[in-house]
Amino acid sequence: EAGVTQSPTHLIKTRGQQATLRCSPISGHTSVYWYQQALGLGLQFLLWYDEGEERNRGNFPPRFSGRQFPNYSSELNVNALELEDSALYLCASSVRGATTDTQYFGPGTRLTVL
Amino acid sequence: DAKTTQPPSMDCAEGRAANLPCNHSTISGNEYVYWYRQIHSQGPQYIIHGLKNNETNEMASLIITEDRKSSTLILPHATLRDTAVYYCIVRVVGSSNTGKLIFGQGTTLQVKP
Repeated sequence: EAGVTQSPTHLIKTRGQQATLRCSPISGHTSVYWYQQALGLGLQFLLWYDEGEERNRGNFPPRFSGRQFPNYSSELNVNALELEDSALYLCASSVRGATTDTQYFGPGTRLTVL
Repeated sequence: DAKTTQPPSMDCAEGRAANLPCNHSTISGNEYVYWYRQIHSQGPQYIIHGLKNNETNEMASLIITEDRKSSTLILPHATLRDTAVYYCIVRVVGSSNTGKLIFGQGTTLQVKP
């Protein structure tokens, strides 16, 4: 069974540009989660999508946005990039069940803002 | 979601059992204990989770105290590849959950030859 995949592996942008990161969940998973891990900081929850809708959002500015497509894949868009947006961006997926919704993570996209 | 406390670092000899403790004294009755690990710059890897009974899978065992205020993750025969940051997370599962995992600082486990 294929795991969560993310693309690109690395992304280099300059300040003020926009970045688009992509995530494909495990087959059968309807929920996708995004996290940010900046250097020296812990993993911070960004967004949760399920069945095409945004279900929850972390404490990030509106220039962080995303969407989930009918095939449950997802995009994370970061507008007006700032230097501090440089981080590892992780995507996770899960089923959405009453007793189990374990999140499985992808390998991440390393975003560098120059 | 309840807060967890873990020691910042631990060492373990290769081939020996690694016992990683976690304190979650404010855990609620409907909160599960989850363990993940993150090997340098990779995505976190799910290890195991449990509600109140002890659990075992091919990777590890999870021992939860009877009052559920603490737990221990056991890697029975640690290898060098088990060197990682281990995160203990407490969360609600199901319709009441917020979707987010709250990662603390975790325990850096160093397995030594």
